[in-house]
Amino acid sequence: LAKTTQPISMDSYEGQEVNITCSHNNIATNDYITWYQQFPSQGPRFIIQGYKTKVTNEVASLFIPADRKSSTLSLPRVSLSDTAVYYCLVEGSSYKLIFGSGTRLLVRP
Amino acid sequence: GAVVSQHPSWVICKSGTSVKIECRSLDFQATTMFWYRQFPKQSLMLMATSNEGSKATYEQGVEKDKFLINHASLTLSTLTVTSAHPEDSSFYICSARSGGSLSYNEQFFGPGTRLTVL
Repeated sequence: LAKTTQPISMDSYEGQEVNITCSHNNIATNDYITWYQQFPSQGPRFIIQGYKTKVTNEVASLFIPADRKSSTLSLPRVSLSDTAVYYCLVEGSSYKLIFGSGTRLLVRP
Repeated sequence: GAVVSQHPSWVICKSGTSVKIECRSLDFQATTMFWYRQFPKQSLMLMATSNEGSKATYEQGVEKDKFLINHASLTLSTLTVTSAHPEDSSFYICSARSGGSLSYNEQFFGPGTRLTVL
């Protein structure tokens, strides 16, 4: 399973766009990249998943370069309620999710 | 859709007792369920993979005799913490994966169970 590395923490202000980059140098051909959000004392919540290029849904965008060794989660116009821990994971055919340290995002007023 | 529930949401028990935690997929059949443990300010740690009708696969360092997992149906997996001790106090989270029409590899997480062992 590919290991992921992401910043431990990030600060932002309401209304700003936040980009969290994750590196996964050992990603395998069949692996997908998935991002989860977790609030304190809650289970993680699926945000977005992608294989290559760009994926967009109603809450975020995911940018994956051609070599797939990194990915960037983009949160447009964050609000205070986006304060949470964000996890980048690489998932393959075993379906096991190995969580890294995650990125603690703090959104300030 | 794709809701996973856990019961209980929190439990306090005495040292030496056993505690059972249930994980249910409410609106889909889960061919695979996973159990995680999370200590305060730390990330989730995968404990075991549970497949319906077969024995669970435990991650290295997780005692299978202490953390008993049963996945008797496609909608229910249980984790029993046997002879619990204070160091077992943690936040236990399950996830469920559908083998069917849901998006590739998307797992749905339960709300977690807070276990406190006195």
